[in-house]
Amino acid sequence: QLQLQESGPGLVKPSETLSLTCTVSGGSISSSPYYWGWVRQPPGKGLEWIGSIYYSGSTYHSSSLKSRVTISVDTSKNQFSLKLSSVTVADTALYYCARQPASPGFHWFDPWGQGTLVTVSS
Amino acid sequence: EIVMTQSPATLSVSPGERATLSCRASQSVSSDLAWYQQKPGQAPRLLIFGASTRATAIPARFSGSGSGTEFTLTISSLQSEDFAVYYCQQYNNWPPFTFGPGTKVDIK
Repeated sequence: QLQLQESGPGLVKPSETLSLTCTVSGGSISSSPYYWGWVRQPPGKGLEWIGSIYYSGSTYHSSSLKSRVTISVDTSKNQFSLKLSSVTVADTALYYCARQPASPGFHWFDPWGQGTLVTVSS
Repeated sequence: EIVMTQSPATLSVSPGERATLSCRASQSVSSDLAWYQQKPGQAPRLLIFGASTRATAIPARFSGSGSGTEFTLTISSLQSEDFAVYYCQQYNNWPPFTFGPGTKVDIK
């Protein structure tokens, strides 16, 4: 059974870079056709897509975050990562990683990691 | 960007009753719509994809319908474990993938 697990610092200072890693177990991140995505949820609020990456490295980002987002994949470690630069308190959220089928018309998110809370505070 | 809206924001239902949740897209998304359930302290769980196909291990009391811009999630007989927040998500026109704001189903 495929499982995803987010990891990274739970506290980041304003203006610094948030860095998270999602480790995939129970399957290969190189298996196609899948995207690997990041979704966040501010406390008490709804879900916001951040970006997704194909195992080959092709990436897609939310336009509102695009200039600050870097998503990468390390197939040797079966991991993919998120970097969000110049964070502010508005970036405080639960960050989830999830898998998406990559075939056209199949891009739902399943399964999801358990999520990791990142707080931006000095 | 396709904007997703959901109604109502909160739905109060008694156990055993039917719940009907609505999701609307700002433009047609064909049948490229998913529904998720999120319980407190948990990650979202995929319920429905393709507007009407139940995901693996999802009980038959959950059903989805609609196409184009109007979609419905129906829970035929609410069980205690169904009280949660439900989100819809379109994946027809992307980026970005967009979610609705959610409908909270609570106990009446």
